[in-house]
Amino acid sequence: QLQLQESGPGLVKPSETLSLTCTVSGGSISSSSYYWGWIRQPPGKGLEWIGSFFYSGSTYYNPSLKSRVTISVDTSKNQFSLKLSSVTAADTAVYYCARATLGGAAMVPSAFDYWGQGTLVTVSS
Amino acid sequence: QLVLTQSPSASASLGASVKLTCTLSSGHSTYAIAWHQQQPARGPRYLMRLNSDGSHSKGDGIPDRFSGSSSGAERYLTISSLQSEDEADYYCQTWGTGIQVFGGGTKLTVL
Repeated sequence: QLQLQESGPGLVKPSETLSLTCTVSGGSISSSSYYWGWIRQPPGKGLEWIGSFFYSGSTYYNPSLKSRVTISVDTSKNQFSLKLSSVTAADTAVYYCARATLGGAAMVPSAFDYWGQGTLVTVSS
Repeated sequence: QLVLTQSPSASASLGASVKLTCTLSSGHSTYAIAWHQQQPARGPRYLMRLNSDGSHSKGDGIPDRFSGSSSGAERYLTISSLQSEDEADYYCQTWGTGIQVFGGGTKLTVL
């Protein structure tokens, strides 16, 4: 059974960089069949896609966050990470990691079919 | 621009059926979507992928009470024999080249 687990600091100061890690068990992030991504949910609001990556290096980011986001991977640990720079209170949210299936011949990320339980990150001084 | 529109809320009685709607923006009526369920204080759970022709593939362990259908730019999630644990937020999600999009979610209340 595939499992994803987010980890990282629960409190980040404004203007600093938010860093989270997703540890995957029961499956390999080097698989050629899936993308892996990050999604967030501000308190009381809906889901917002942050970005997704493929083991070969293809990475897609939400245009509204692209200038501040980096997703990286550590295949030796079967983990991938999120860095979001210059955070403000608007970045306070529950952050989820998830697996996405491939969207047909175009090999783009499609449906998120497995989710982590999420981790709350609060931006505050 | 690829956008998904959902009604903010819906309600139905215990044991009844309910049909939730997700509408694709103009020019995107052939896109597939996914439905996700988020119970209170929990992470999202994948329910199914739903294609424009109404065919769908459900996630692991999703009961037969959950089904999907399509008509034009609209994608539907039908839940039959409603149970109390079906009270949740339901999100649709779609994708294009280099982008993934979520609808605003529908809060389902089971009366």
